[in-house]
Amino acid sequence: AQTVTQSQPEMSVQEAETVTLSCTYDTSENNYYLFWYKQPPSRQMILVIRQEAYKQQNATENRFSVNFQKAAKSFSLKISDSQLGDTAMYFCAFMKHGRSSGSARQLTFGSGTQLTVLP
Amino acid sequence: NAGVTQTPKFQVLKTGQSMTLQCAQDMNHEYMSWYRQDPGMGLRLIHYSVGAGITDQGEVPNGYNVSRSTTEDFPLRLLSAAPSQTSVYFCASSFNSFTYEQYFGPGTRLTVT
Repeated sequence: AQTVTQSQPEMSVQEAETVTLSCTYDTSENNYYLFWYKQPPSRQMILVIRQEAYKQQNATENRFSVNFQKAAKSFSLKISDSQLGDTAMYFCAFMKHGRSSGSARQLTFGSGTQLTVLP
Repeated sequence: NAGVTQTPKFQVLKTGQSMTLQCAQDMNHEYMSWYRQDPGMGLRLIHYSVGAGITDQGEVPNGYNVSRSTTEDFPLRLLSAAPSQTSVYFCASSFNSFTYEQYFGPGTRLTVT
């Protein structure tokens, strides 16, 4: 079974500054996906960024980038030029590549990090 | 496209009552699933479906039933609600069971007293 750990329940950052959210995971799989989801107060789960484990290059989406360390099983999210709209709960999640048991495309989530961007 | 829609947004039930949480998607997605989110935890998979007429259990299926008679709809039924089922429920869909990107609905907050 996979586990995902987010050790920072809460973080804050000043507007326009950079913040890094940590995530570690445990798996015996070699091929998998890692994701960061954002959940603002509206509760909507929004995909921020994804990383395929077989790709060495770190994923980047505008102000969001990841530091993927496969050997260390670490997957941190860096948010640059933080904006007030980035205030949300951020979840790290894992999905096996291909099919899981049966045909489940199961996401395994961490417990989340509440990020507050301060004006 | 409306994407993934869920009704109701909020619901309060008494212990032992039954109800159905509705989920619909208009993207012709084959794969649909239900998750629950409890305080201090991420989402956990309850049930999933890889197409009309096919459903299976996820990580936490006890106390819930599902069926999938059409591609669009994937209702979640609570036959006899318990306080332990107080949670926020999310429905998600993806193009098929080979694709990684899942689209989430807005969630239903359920309280069982």
